[in-house]
Amino acid sequence: DGGITQSPKYLFRKEGQNVTLSCEQNLNHDAMYWYRQDPGQGLRLIYYSQIVNDFQKGDIAEGYSVSREKKESFPLTVTSAQKNPTAFYLCASTLQGGNLGTEAFFGQGTRLTVV
Amino acid sequence: AQSVTQLGSHVSVSEGALVLLRCNYSSSVPPYLFWYVQYPNQGLQLLLKYTSAATLVKGINGFEAEFKKSETSFHLTKPSAHMSDAAEYFCAVSDQGGKLIFGQGTELSVKP
Repeated sequence: DGGITQSPKYLFRKEGQNVTLSCEQNLNHDAMYWYRQDPGQGLRLIYYSQIVNDFQKGDIAEGYSVSREKKESFPLTVTSAQKNPTAFYLCASTLQGGNLGTEAFFGQGTRLTVV
Repeated sequence: AQSVTQLGSHVSVSEGALVLLRCNYSSSVPPYLFWYVQYPNQGLQLLLKYTSAATLVKGINGFEAEFKKSETSFHLTKPSAHMSDAAEYFCAVSDQGGKLIFGQGTELSVKP
């Protein structure tokens, strides 16, 4: 079955640590996205990539980093510079990043908690 | 800039009653609009989308939404609520690069 796989489902981070969230898709989609979800705030865009080896900042990129070395993979690193990282993180992909109205497919999410 | 506003962070209905979840958008260009559903601790699933083909859009699980340009609205409805409809619902507008701009979400509760 084609889809998006996020791992791990739950992640705990100590203050001052960097952690990396994995996102893999086998849909052969060109574009991938990372969103952060906080209660009552909807989803906010962190980073997105429309093509391999290229990515752009979203609305809340500070304290995060990404890479896109392979079409199917778009890992997100939450750095120690992110002051409030506790949230639910969702990865998504679309067939073509440039087209309006393209349906986004979502992974099952990773819940990150700072301990 | 485009934006989406969902009126009501929480809606509660009785089983069998009409479901109405409100969404208003702001866009300087003809919008592409979506409704997604999220069950606890899961990702988002597409319910339906508007891409200008028809103003009344039918989706999965008996949901539908009507695009009203004059009211800049895209409200989601279902004639008869089922217990399994309890979830969080998000309205979104498509932005350049395939990005989505989401509303704040509406949590739907269904009472037996």
